[in-house]
Amino acid sequence: DTAVSQTPKYLVTQMGNDKSIKCEQNLGHDTMYWYKQDSKKFLKIMFSYNNKELIINETVPNRFSPKSPDKAHLNLHINSLELGDSAVYFCASSQAGSLKTQYFGPGTRLLVL
Amino acid sequence: AQRVTQPEKLLSVFKGAPVELKCNYSYSGSPELFWYVQYSRQRLQLLLRHISRESIKGFTADLNKGETSFHLKKPFAQEEDSAMYYCALFTDKLIFGTGTRLQVFP
Repeated sequence: DTAVSQTPKYLVTQMGNDKSIKCEQNLGHDTMYWYKQDSKKFLKIMFSYNNKELIINETVPNRFSPKSPDKAHLNLHINSLELGDSAVYFCASSQAGSLKTQYFGPGTRLLVL
Repeated sequence: AQRVTQPEKLLSVFKGAPVELKCNYSYSGSPELFWYVQYSRQRLQLLLRHISRESIKGFTADLNKGETSFHLKKPFAQEEDSAMYYCALFTDKLIFGTGTRLQVFP
């Protein structure tokens, strides 16, 4: 059973396009996250949602819009893709609280040409 | 400023050698620290957390508040330990260090 899943695994697209990445967790967690891992493997949080409400937005450009239709899903929509958006995007989930383990998805490798 | 520093980008050792991956943090509050590991082409997963004071896969990490460090140690490295290791500090969010790639040669 996959705990945190993401689709697609790979995404290759042209500059200027709009794309979405989907994330689903079946762990019953109430908090979900999006992280970006750049080419140097630096990992940084982008967004955090708790019970479908946005609680963290880390100065991410407006072109990135997360959407949480329910507690089990947190999708990431990206408008007007730029070359610098090329990265691996990880979704994660946890129960609320600092000591709760975050469970990560397998990542979506985005390449913008 | 809240920050996690992992000074080594790459650490290469031979199998059976001791390993220490360094992590220093900057945080004015009471720190909650974690080590996450990412094996090749796999998802990031929790290795250990300081509050548990546990040993996972032979790894331990001790929080030293005086030196603001949370170094990850293993007395005898194995080839399967080769991976990317991230130290992370939880404030209102997880702040990751830049990661250290551990290569264990046979």
